[in-house]
Amino acid sequence: QVQLVQSGAEVKKTGASVKVSCKASGYTFGVYYMHWVRQAPGQGLEWVGTINPSGGATSYAQKFQGRVTMTTDTSTSTVFMDLRSLTSQDTAVYFCARNYGGAFDYWGQGTLVTVSS
Amino acid sequence: QSALTQPASMSGSPGQSITISCTGTSSDVGSYNLVSWYRQHPGKAPKVMIYEVRQRPSGVSNRFSGSKSGNTASLTISGLQAEDEAVYYCSSYVGSSTWVFGGGTTLTVL
Repeated sequence: QVQLVQSGAEVKKTGASVKVSCKASGYTFGVYYMHWVRQAPGQGLEWVGTINPSGGATSYAQKFQGRVTMTTDTSTSTVFMDLRSLTSQDTAVYFCARNYGGAFDYWGQGTLVTVSS
Repeated sequence: QSALTQPASMSGSPGQSITISCTGTSSDVGSYNLVSWYRQHPGKAPKVMIYEVRQRPSGVSNRFSGSKSGNTASLTISGLQAEDEAVYYCSSYVGSSTWVFGGGTTLTVL
């Protein structure tokens, strides 16, 4: 069965960087784009960006351009999201989600990133 | 990439039907049949309920249906049940491998 397992919660200082991982299993890793979606406390879903695990092509939401990098390790079927220059506004749960048929059909369990001064 | 517009909250009684709207622009909802809907219960990851405007994933009840007219997509839930109480989000492809979500609609089953 398809599973997306994310790394654990992180606490970071303002200005620091965070790297969140998402390990996929149960399907052919390179076939489906992977997305990152975040949700600030009590807020809605916000699309962060996507990566094609086959080749590594990326696309990011405009507000994160220059601050986010998504990569993959095909040997371990893992995708990574690196977010830099963190502020309190980046405190959120970050989800990875697989894209299939124009939908995000499987989601990771979420990783809470807390940014404090 | 402005968020799609959804009503902040809606309510209905068990057994009733409700329709949640999701309004975008001619650059997103109006241009692509890649609108999807998600249900999120507190503390859980979202779950896809409808994709490609009106397709229902395996295992999702046929009480859920989707449609689109122009720049507005809609999710209809018939025969409301207590388990339907959740936050619902729409999403649309925007082109150039980018996506956008709606602000979410909190559905209360009275």
